[in-house]
Amino acid sequence: KQEVTQIPAALSVPEGENLVLNCSFTDSAIYNLQWFRQDPGKGLTSLLLIQSSQREQTSGRLNASLDKSSGRSTLYIAASQPGDSATYLCAVHAYSGAGSYQLTFGKGTKLSVIP
Amino acid sequence: SQTIHQWPATLVQPVGSPLSLECTVEGTSNPNLYWYRQAAGRGLQLLFYSVGIGQISSEVPQNLSASRPQDRQFILSSKKLLLSDSGFYLCAWRAGGMGTQYFGPGTRLTVL
Repeated sequence: KQEVTQIPAALSVPEGENLVLNCSFTDSAIYNLQWFRQDPGKGLTSLLLIQSSQREQTSGRLNASLDKSSGRSTLYIAASQPGDSATYLCAVHAYSGAGSYQLTFGKGTKLSVIP
Repeated sequence: SQTIHQWPATLVQPVGSPLSLECTVEGTSNPNLYWYRQAAGRGLQLLFYSVGIGQISSEVPQNLSASRPQDRQFILSSKKLLLSDSGFYLCAWRAGGMGTQYFGPGTRLTVL
């Protein structure tokens, strides 16, 4: 059974700092990996999707990398801003049995960017 | 562009009462639809998914049921709510295949 772990569970950084969020998964047979952002009491916003054949994806100040063989992904946020404060979730898309392909989520990293 | 709606946004219900949460998607056709529950400290749990009208798959045994009466409408129901049904319910959609999954704004359910 696929398990996704995100470390650390919480992170506090001063504004302007570059930071890295980590995600690991136990089964490397994935189709893609998706990073989401969740603000308190809100739904999930998709940030980046990396296909299993890709090594990285970039969107603005965000860069996500994928090392499928080692079961790891990182989300790099450059020049952090207070508006980046949120919980960041990693999810892997893989076969889950009975002809079904589903997302398995980590529990997230809660990021606080201090002005 | 595609949008996903959920209502109500918040709901407080007594134990034993029925439940109906609705999700609709606009701007796409024949989406895969999903219901998740997010409980504090437990992450997102997939409850149901649907690949077409009337086709529902359940991931975990529970007190809830789902229906898809129309292509872009997904409903989560219960006949009698339990305290353990409290949580944040999220609807999501994805086009067929392995693309990006998009989430709705969620419904906060409190069962008292």
